[in-house]
Amino acid sequence: EAAVTQSPRNKVTVTGGNVTLSCRQTNSHNYMYWYRQDTGHGLRLIHYSYGAGNLQIGDVPDGYKATRTTQEDFFLLLELASPSQTSLYFCASRQVSNERLFFGHGTKLSVL
Amino acid sequence: GEQVEQRPPHLSVREGDSAVITCTYTDPNSYYFFWYKQEPGASLQLLMKVFSSTEINEGQGFTVLLNKKDKRLSLNLTAAHPGDSAAYFCAVSANTNKVVFGTGTRLQVLP
Repeated sequence: EAAVTQSPRNKVTVTGGNVTLSCRQTNSHNYMYWYRQDTGHGLRLIHYSYGAGNLQIGDVPDGYKATRTTQEDFFLLLELASPSQTSLYFCASRQVSNERLFFGHGTKLSVL
Repeated sequence: GEQVEQRPPHLSVREGDSAVITCTYTDPNSYYFFWYKQEPGASLQLLMKVFSSTEINEGQGFTVLLNKKDKRLSLNLTAAHPGDSAAYFCAVSANTNKVVFGTGTRLQVLP
């Protein structure tokens, strides 16, 4: 079973704060994704990547940066956090387009 | 871009009843379809994946129907039990490698 590990599990910051969410997958998957989950919106795609150094823009990218430093590691950066970014963030990975996503356990972010 | 509408947002049924969740999508080039289940406080787990055109797939206690002509995907729990209480999400993917999720259905199965 593919393993996707997110850290931290919970994070509280203040408006204007700087936050980095980390994701590591250990199955050499090509694709990695960052989603946010909010009631009434399901999961919305923020950014995704198909390999180290690559970044693709998702559907709700405003206020977020991301960086794929290695095959295993994908980071989501909030440089000026706002209360609207309070959410549950999921990282996921998969090998190819016809395969399922493997999800991490999520990071609950609160921006006060 | 792809938009996926999922209905209903909430569904409450009695144990043993059937439950139907439907997704409609917009991109005619979509051809990978998935259903995920999310139990309270947990991550998402794959329920079933569906490819090809009109197709019925059956799993343990549920049926998935894909109608590409109408761009509709449905999940039918044939005899719901309390362990099925969870949130369910459809997901749609074209060959762009984006995966777009529906807005989710929170299912409650009452004993």
